[in-house]
Amino acid sequence: AQSVTQLDSHVSVSEGTPVLLRCNYSSSYSPSLFWYVQHPNKGLQLLLKYTSAATLVKGINGFEAEFKKSETSFHLTKPSAHMSDAAEYFCVVRRMNTGFQKLVFGTGTRLLVSP
Amino acid sequence: GAVVSQHPSWVICKSGTSVKIECRSLDFQATTMFWYRQFPKQSLMLMATSNEGSKATYEQGVEKDKFLINHASLTLSTLTVTSAHPEDSSFYICSARPDRSPGYYFGPGTRLLVL
Repeated sequence: AQSVTQLDSHVSVSEGTPVLLRCNYSSSYSPSLFWYVQHPNKGLQLLLKYTSAATLVKGINGFEAEFKKSETSFHLTKPSAHMSDAAEYFCVVRRMNTGFQKLVFGTGTRLLVSP
Repeated sequence: GAVVSQHPSWVICKSGTSVKIECRSLDFQATTMFWYRQFPKQSLMLMATSNEGSKATYEQGVEKDKFLINHASLTLSTLTVTSAHPEDSSFYICSARPDRSPGYYFGPGTRLLVL
């Protein structure tokens, strides 16, 4: 069954420095992968998604992720962090089960951005 | 963009009472909606898949008699926590998948506190 592992529970960066949030996936076939962001008191927002097209996926707010099959990774990056990027980030895989599609969430990574 | 609302945004109730949470897709129809539960500083766990016109599909370990789901129309799904107890206190999030376009859209969540 498909699953994702987020390697860091917390990541701290300074404003203006690069962001790297790590995610590894497990899947017996080409997965559909997503990154979502959760700000306090707001709904989850889709940052980007990979669905077997281009391996480098560009999302909103300057984020991008690269699908690397050889490393089974889908890390999220941003060249320069902004204070407003501080939030919880979830790596997600879409799983098929008994005819239904459903999203399976990683454990989340809290991004802290300091001035 | 597609908007999903939840009502109420937070609720406090006494142990033993039942609480109903509504999830609405405001500008699209959704045959399929999903209910998640999120404990503090933890990931989202799928509870059930709600299907308009048929019974919900519950994940393993989720009590269907305790968490009643009714998908009354193509824009409304409700989750009723019956005979709530303090251990049911959590953040409940719904998600809707549009019938005519790809993607999953999340509501802002409902925070339940059972005293």
